[in-house]
Amino acid sequence: GENVEQHPSTLSVQEGDSAVIKCTYSDSASNYFPWYKQELGKGPQLIIDIRSNVGEKKDQRIAVTLNKTAKHFSLHITETQPEDSAVYFCAATSYTGRRALTFGSGTRLQVQP
Amino acid sequence: KAGVTQTPRYLIKTRGQQVTLSCSPISGHRSVSWYQQTPGQGLQFLFEYFSETQRNKGNFPGRFSGRQFSNSRSEMNVSTLELGDSALYLCASSLKGESTEAFFGQGTRLTVV
Repeated sequence: GENVEQHPSTLSVQEGDSAVIKCTYSDSASNYFPWYKQELGKGPQLIIDIRSNVGEKKDQRIAVTLNKTAKHFSLHITETQPEDSAVYFCAATSYTGRRALTFGSGTRLQVQP
Repeated sequence: KAGVTQTPRYLIKTRGQQVTLSCSPISGHRSVSWYQQTPGQGLQFLFEYFSETQRNKGNFPGRFSGRQFSNSRSEMNVSTLELGDSALYLCASSLKGESTEAFFGQGTRLTVV
């Protein structure tokens, strides 16, 4: 089955700095890679996703890049703000194979004001 | 548009009891997936229902079961509760299934004592 590794487990940045979270996946059949943000006491919130036919996707301060050859994908947050503080999860699945999302272990991001 | 609604938000049960959790998906969404979230194991897939049929199942014992109704609402049941079943149970709905663009509810926090 799929295995997703996520690094780092914790990340502390100053407000205004950039944050990068990296994930690797093992199954070359995976072709859909969402990122979720989970705040305390809430469920995961889908913040951005990318499919394998695209190398990069951007939405305001958030961007995701995908390297299919290396089986890496990364989340980039620019101009971080205190409200970006949360736990971020990457995930992988195949949208053609009725497979469940396999999640990374999560990154706790702390943005220091 | 209302999001995914899970009830109840919190539950305390005794070992050996059974519990039923409910999930109402986003209107129009036909796929409902369930996940268990614990500090040690992270987010793990339980099962997925689409049009009242279980399409996919994770590696959980038979004590964990679910069903989906004709209005796409779903329930999951855990019988003979164990202390290790204490977790946040999350429901996610998606439009067409296959785990693309899955939107999570706030979860049900189950504590087994």
